[in-house]
Amino acid sequence: DSGVTQTPKHLITATGQRVTLRCSPRSGDLSVYWYQQSLDQGLQFLIQYYNGEERAKGNILERFSAQQFPDLHSELNLSSLELGDSALYFCASSASGSYTGELFFGEGSRLTVL
Amino acid sequence: QKEVEQDPGPLSVPEGAIVSLNCTYSNSAFQYFMWYRQYSRKGPELLMYTYSSGNKEDGRFTAQVDKSSKYISLFIRDSQPSDSATYLCAIPLFGNTPLVFGKGTRLSVIA
Repeated sequence: DSGVTQTPKHLITATGQRVTLRCSPRSGDLSVYWYQQSLDQGLQFLIQYYNGEERAKGNILERFSAQQFPDLHSELNLSSLELGDSALYFCASSASGSYTGELFFGEGSRLTVL
Repeated sequence: QKEVEQDPGPLSVPEGAIVSLNCTYSNSAFQYFMWYRQYSRKGPELLMYTYSSGNKEDGRFTAQVDKSSKYISLFIRDSQPSDSATYLCAIPLFGNTPLVFGKGTRLSVIA
């Protein structure tokens, strides 16, 4: 158990809809990362927050947004969903903002868009 | 060229075999190299971590970096069915960018 909790584990929705994925990082970790994993693209970095502030942005679509709350949990919002958004979405946390440190991943949220 | 490239496999070996998993990377300035292991329906977990060049050993696992060839390898000795998983190489491109992952190699160790 990594200590990172993601909900929901599975989500099935229709094109055009909006969903919110939630992540609770390990106790004390200030950094939260969101990654998208698909068979063809692998694990792609979306966005990172550090202690409530956006720290780095990767290949995140404009239809997607995220935030980190004062209690350090994070939410990833996906809107105007398309079939191609079907993927596993992972949250990871780390103690610091350093990118050479270990990332602790949750078990992921599997999104299916029909 | 992508920053990190990895053959996705799949790779199937008999129990007890030596497994070699490999990645190539684009920039010789990269210094930190990691291997994550991902079991089915789980998130990745850090397996090995090396800095700069050379070898690092941890039990049956050896991570090797060849900076001249921009090539990193993970060797698994005496492979076990419990080693069946997807192995992802990962590199923080430079000090200020989060980890970039290879696509992962799916390994099956057959008893």
